[in-house]
Amino acid sequence: QKEVEQDPGPLSVPEGAIVSLNCTYSNSAFQYFMWYRQYSRKGPELLMYTYSSGNKEDGRFTAQVDKSSKYISLFIRDSQPSDSATYLCAMSGDSGGSNYKLTFGKGTLLTVNP
Amino acid sequence: GAGVSQSPSNKVTEKGKDVELRCDPISGHTALYWYRQSLGQGLEFLIYFQGNSAPDKSGLPSDRFSAERTGGSVSTLTIQRTQQEDSAVYLCASSSLWAGTQYFGPGTRLTVL
Repeated sequence: QKEVEQDPGPLSVPEGAIVSLNCTYSNSAFQYFMWYRQYSRKGPELLMYTYSSGNKEDGRFTAQVDKSSKYISLFIRDSQPSDSATYLCAMSGDSGGSNYKLTFGKGTLLTVNP
Repeated sequence: GAGVSQSPSNKVTEKGKDVELRCDPISGHTALYWYRQSLGQGLEFLIYFQGNSAPDKSGLPSDRFSAERTGGSVSTLTIQRTQQEDSAVYLCASSSLWAGTQYFGPGTRLTVL
C-alpha cells in the first residue's frame, strides 16, 4: 500500500459545480497537509496548507483534515474553467525534523466545462 | 519578484550520456529541493539542501544521480549514464522557512532515447 492514495480521475464537472477531491494516507506521523494545483507543463503551486485536523477556508477553496480516518479533502465551490488542472495532495510529518520531505499523491486531473 | 527558474526546459539525450539540470532558487531562500515526476506517478523526493548543512540525499534512486549547491544558491542535478527509465520531469523547489511553503519551478522535461 502506498503511503498516500489519490484517485487520478479524470474528473469532469460543469462550471459552477462543487468539486470534492480526496486523499487517504497510512502514515499516522503525518501532521502537515497541503494541496497543490498544477497546470499542464507548469510546476505545482501551493493552494492550501493545514496543520493537524480541522478545516481551513480560502475563498472558494476549503481544505479538511480528518486524522482519525487518515483522510483529507479539498472542496472547490463555484468551480470555474480556470480551475481545470491536476490537484496534488501532499503531506509531511514530525518524525526527526524531516518536515521538509513531502509525500505526494499521484494527483487528480480536473476539467471544468463551460 | 522572480520565481524559481530551471534550465533547460526540455532535454533530449541518448541512453548512456550524462546530463546536467540547473535550478536557480528564489533569492534569499535557504532551502532547495529536487523532485522527479514520472508519467502516472506522483512527485518523488530526490534531495534536500538547507544552508550549509549536509544534504539529505535519501531520495536519490541510484549512485548515477548526484546534486550540488554552490554558494548556497544555484543547484545542479547530474545524472550519469542516463537510462530510459530516467525520462521524467525534474522539478526544483525552494523555501525560506518551512517545507509547506515550497515554491516550485517549471521543471525540466528529460527524455532519454
